[in-house]
Amino acid sequence: SAVISQKPSRDICQRGTSLTIQCQVDSQVTMMFWYRQQPGQSLTLIATANQGSEATYESGFVIDKFPISRPNLTFSTLTVSNMSPEDSSIYLCSVEKGQGGRTYGYTFGSGTRLTVV
Amino acid sequence: QKEVEQNSGPLSVPEGAIASLNCTYSDRGSQSFFWYRQYSGKSPELIMFIYSNGDKEDGRFTAQLNKASQYVSLLIRDSQPSDSATYLCAVETDKLIFGTGTRLQVFP
Repeated sequence: SAVISQKPSRDICQRGTSLTIQCQVDSQVTMMFWYRQQPGQSLTLIATANQGSEATYESGFVIDKFPISRPNLTFSTLTVSNMSPEDSSIYLCSVEKGQGGRTYGYTFGSGTRLTVV
Repeated sequence: QKEVEQNSGPLSVPEGAIASLNCTYSDRGSQSFFWYRQYSGKSPELIMFIYSNGDKEDGRFTAQLNKASQYVSLLIRDSQPSDSATYLCAVETDKLIFGTGTRLQVFP
Protein backbone atom coordinates (compact mmCIF):
# COMPACT_ATOMS: atom_id res chain seq x y z
CA SER A 1 0.00 0.00 0.00
CA ALA A 2 1.04 3.62 -0.52
CA VAL A 3 3.29 5.37 1.97
CA ILE A 4 2.56 9.03 2.62
CA SER A 5 5.07 11.52 3.96
CA GLN A 6 3.40 14.55 5.47
CA LYS A 7 5.06 17.66 6.82
CA PRO A 8 5.30 19.58 8.98
CA SER A 9 4.26 17.24 11.76
CA ARG A 10 3.30 20.16 13.96
CA ASP A 11 3.45 23.92 14.02
CA ILE A 12 2.44 26.84 16.18
CA CYS A 13 1.38 29.82 14.13
CA GLN A 14 0.30 33.39 14.73
CA ARG A 15 -3.23 34.33 13.84
CA GLY A 16 -3.54 35.99 10.45
CA THR A 17 -0.68 34.02 8.93
CA SER A 18 -0.80 31.03 6.56
CA LEU A 19 0.64 27.54 6.74
CA THR A 20 1.24 25.18 3.85
CA ILE A 21 1.12 21.45 4.51
CA GLN A 22 2.77 19.03 2.11
CA CYS A 23 2.02 15.42 1.31
CA GLN A 24 4.25 13.20 -0.78
CA VAL A 25 3.10 9.73 -1.85
CA ASP A 26 5.50 7.00 -2.89
CA SER A 27 3.30 5.97 -5.82
CA GLN A 28 1.08 7.69 -8.35
CA VAL A 29 -2.49 8.20 -7.21
CA THR A 30 -5.42 9.81 -8.97
CA MET A 31 -7.04 11.43 -5.98
CA MET A 32 -5.70 12.78 -2.74
CA PHE A 33 -7.96 13.77 0.12
CA TRP A 34 -7.50 16.37 2.81
CA TYR A 35 -9.18 15.95 6.21
CA ARG A 36 -9.42 18.00 9.36
CA GLN A 37 -9.74 16.52 12.83
CA GLN A 38 -10.64 19.08 15.44
CA PRO A 39 -9.83 18.32 19.09
CA GLY A 40 -11.92 15.43 20.35
CA GLN A 41 -13.76 15.13 17.04
CA SER A 42 -13.80 12.76 14.12
CA LEU A 43 -12.41 13.38 10.66
CA THR A 44 -14.10 15.82 8.31
CA LEU A 45 -13.31 15.86 4.62
CA ILE A 46 -12.11 19.27 3.46
CA ALA A 47 -11.54 18.61 -0.24
CA THR A 48 -10.53 16.13 -2.89
CA ALA A 49 -7.50 17.01 -4.98
CA ASN A 50 -7.25 15.69 -8.52
CA GLN A 51 -4.21 16.20 -10.65
CA GLY A 52 -4.84 18.62 -13.49
CA SER A 53 -8.11 20.06 -12.23
CA GLU A 54 -9.48 22.23 -9.48
CA ALA A 55 -9.95 20.63 -6.11
CA THR A 56 -13.49 19.74 -5.07
CA TYR A 57 -14.42 21.28 -1.73
CA GLU A 58 -16.96 19.98 0.76
CA SER A 59 -19.71 22.09 2.22
CA GLY A 60 -18.32 24.60 4.68
CA PHE A 61 -14.86 24.75 3.12
CA VAL A 62 -13.80 27.27 0.49
CA ILE A 63 -10.84 27.64 -1.79
CA ASP A 64 -9.86 31.08 -0.48
CA LYS A 65 -9.42 29.66 3.02
CA PHE A 66 -7.95 26.27 2.05
CA PRO A 67 -6.21 26.53 -1.32
CA ILE A 68 -4.93 23.22 -2.62
CA SER A 69 -2.29 22.42 -5.19
CA ARG A 70 -1.85 19.12 -7.02
CA PRO A 71 1.03 19.58 -9.45
CA ASN A 72 1.55 15.87 -10.15
CA LEU A 73 0.28 12.41 -9.24
CA THR A 74 2.47 12.02 -6.14
CA PHE A 75 2.26 15.39 -4.40
CA SER A 76 -0.27 17.83 -2.96
CA THR A 77 -0.30 20.82 -0.66
CA LEU A 78 -3.01 22.30 1.52
CA THR A 79 -2.68 25.89 2.72
CA VAL A 80 -4.57 27.13 5.75
CA SER A 81 -4.90 30.85 5.11
CA ASN A 82 -5.45 33.81 7.39
CA MET A 83 -5.49 31.52 10.39
CA SER A 84 -7.54 32.00 13.52
CA PRO A 85 -7.53 29.93 16.73
CA GLU A 86 -10.57 28.03 15.37
CA ASP A 87 -8.27 26.52 12.74
CA SER A 88 -6.32 24.68 15.43
CA SER A 89 -6.72 21.07 14.39
CA ILE A 90 -4.95 18.08 13.01
CA TYR A 91 -4.83 18.11 9.23
CA LEU A 92 -4.41 14.81 7.42
CA CYS A 93 -3.93 13.82 3.82
CA SER A 94 -5.15 10.50 2.55
CA VAL A 95 -5.06 8.33 -0.53
CA GLU A 96 -7.20 5.44 -1.59
CA LYS A 97 -5.90 1.89 -1.47
CA GLY A 98 -7.38 0.14 -4.42
CA GLN A 99 -6.88 -2.38 -7.13
CA GLY A 100 -8.94 -3.33 -10.11
CA GLY A 101 -11.45 -0.58 -9.44
CA ARG A 102 -12.16 -1.76 -5.90
CA THR A 103 -11.39 0.22 -2.77
CA TYR A 104 -9.57 -1.49 0.05
CA GLY A 105 -9.59 1.47 2.37
CA TYR A 106 -7.70 4.67 2.69
CA THR A 107 -4.18 5.33 3.96
CA PHE A 108 -3.46 8.45 5.99
CA GLY A 109 -0.40 10.58 6.39
CA SER A 110 0.97 11.08 9.88
CA GLY A 111 -0.91 14.35 10.26
CA THR A 112 -0.02 17.97 10.95
CA ARG A 113 -0.96 19.26 14.37
CA LEU A 114 -1.64 22.98 13.98
CA THR A 115 -2.01 25.37 16.89
CA VAL A 116 -2.96 28.95 16.16
CA VAL A 117 -2.21 31.50 18.87
CA GLN B 1 -27.20 14.72 5.40
CA LYS B 2 -25.36 11.43 5.28
CA GLU B 3 -24.45 10.32 8.77
CA VAL B 4 -22.44 7.70 10.54
CA GLU B 5 -23.15 7.27 14.23
CA GLN B 6 -21.20 5.61 16.99
CA ASN B 7 -21.43 5.55 20.75
CA SER B 8 -18.59 7.75 21.98
CA GLY B 9 -17.89 5.55 24.99
CA PRO B 10 -15.66 4.96 26.73
CA LEU B 11 -16.26 1.25 26.46
CA SER B 12 -14.35 -0.46 29.22
CA VAL B 13 -13.63 -4.19 29.03
CA PRO B 14 -11.28 -6.43 31.01
CA GLU B 15 -8.28 -7.98 29.36
CA GLY B 16 -9.24 -11.20 27.55
CA ALA B 17 -12.87 -10.21 27.05
CA ILE B 18 -14.68 -9.50 23.79
CA ALA B 19 -15.13 -5.84 22.90
CA SER B 20 -18.13 -5.04 20.72
CA LEU B 21 -18.18 -1.76 18.82
CA ASN B 22 -21.22 -0.65 16.88
CA CYS B 23 -21.98 1.78 14.08
CA THR B 24 -25.09 2.78 12.17
CA TYR B 25 -25.26 4.71 8.92
CA SER B 26 -27.99 6.62 7.15
CA ASP B 27 -27.24 6.22 3.44
CA ARG B 28 -28.66 2.97 2.06
CA GLY B 29 -26.50 3.40 -1.02
CA SER B 30 -23.32 2.89 0.98
CA GLN B 31 -21.16 0.17 -0.48
CA SER B 32 -17.96 -0.04 1.52
CA PHE B 33 -17.42 -0.05 5.26
CA PHE B 34 -14.23 0.41 7.21
CA TRP B 35 -12.97 0.26 10.75
CA TYR B 36 -10.00 2.40 11.74
CA ARG B 37 -8.06 2.42 14.97
CA GLN B 38 -6.60 5.70 16.18
CA TYR B 39 -4.19 5.93 19.05
CA SER B 40 -3.96 9.25 20.81
CA GLY B 41 -1.84 11.68 18.82
CA LYS B 42 -1.59 9.32 15.85
CA SER B 43 -3.32 9.13 12.49
CA PRO B 44 -6.03 6.53 11.80
CA GLU B 45 -4.94 3.03 10.86
CA LEU B 46 -7.16 0.75 8.80
CA ILE B 47 -7.86 -2.54 10.55
CA MET B 48 -10.86 -4.00 8.69
CA PHE B 49 -13.01 -3.45 5.65
CA ILE B 50 -16.19 -5.22 4.62
CA TYR B 51 -18.46 -5.00 1.59
CA SER B 52 -20.95 -7.86 1.88
CA ASN B 53 -23.54 -8.78 4.44
CA GLY B 54 -22.31 -11.18 7.07
CA ASP B 55 -19.10 -11.62 9.00
CA LYS B 56 -15.49 -11.12 8.02
CA GLU B 57 -12.76 -12.35 10.32
CA ASP B 58 -9.11 -11.32 10.48
CA GLY B 59 -7.20 -12.61 13.45
CA ARG B 60 -8.81 -11.30 16.64
CA PHE B 61 -11.05 -8.94 14.69
CA THR B 62 -14.45 -9.69 13.18
CA ALA B 63 -16.44 -7.15 11.20
CA GLN B 64 -20.17 -7.71 10.83
CA LEU B 65 -22.37 -5.99 8.27
CA ASN B 66 -26.16 -5.90 8.03
CA LYS B 67 -27.19 -3.65 5.15
CA ALA B 68 -30.91 -4.13 5.79
CA SER B 69 -30.48 -2.71 9.28
CA GLN B 70 -27.76 -0.26 8.15
CA TYR B 71 -25.54 -1.55 10.88
CA VAL B 72 -21.88 -2.49 11.02
CA SER B 73 -19.99 -3.74 14.02
CA LEU B 74 -16.48 -4.73 15.08
CA LEU B 75 -15.73 -7.48 17.56
CA ILE B 76 -12.33 -7.71 19.17
CA ARG B 77 -11.69 -11.06 20.81
CA ASP B 78 -9.18 -11.59 23.61
CA SER B 79 -8.90 -7.84 24.12
CA GLN B 80 -5.48 -6.56 25.15
CA PRO B 81 -4.48 -3.32 26.86
CA SER B 82 -2.73 -2.41 23.58
CA ASP B 83 -6.17 -2.38 21.92
CA SER B 84 -7.06 0.69 23.97
CA ALA B 85 -7.69 3.37 21.34
CA THR B 86 -10.47 5.17 19.54
CA TYR B 87 -12.18 3.10 16.87
CA LEU B 88 -13.61 4.98 13.93
CA CYS B 89 -16.29 3.58 11.66
CA ALA B 90 -16.17 4.91 8.09
CA VAL B 91 -18.71 4.45 5.33
CA GLU B 92 -18.15 5.12 1.65
CA THR B 93 -20.71 6.23 -0.86
CA ASP B 94 -19.42 8.99 -3.10
CA LYS B 95 -16.95 9.91 -0.38
CA LEU B 96 -15.70 8.52 2.90
CA ILE B 97 -17.67 9.64 5.95
CA PHE B 98 -16.41 8.96 9.45
CA GLY B 99 -18.29 8.41 12.64
CA THR B 100 -17.26 10.24 15.78
CA GLY B 101 -15.47 7.18 17.12
CA THR B 102 -15.77 4.96 20.18
CA ARG B 103 -13.07 5.09 22.81
CA LEU B 104 -12.14 1.60 24.00
CA GLN B 105 -10.34 1.00 27.27
CA VAL B 106 -9.01 -2.47 28.03
CA PHE B 107 -7.95 -2.83 31.63
CA PRO B 108 -5.61 -5.53 33.00
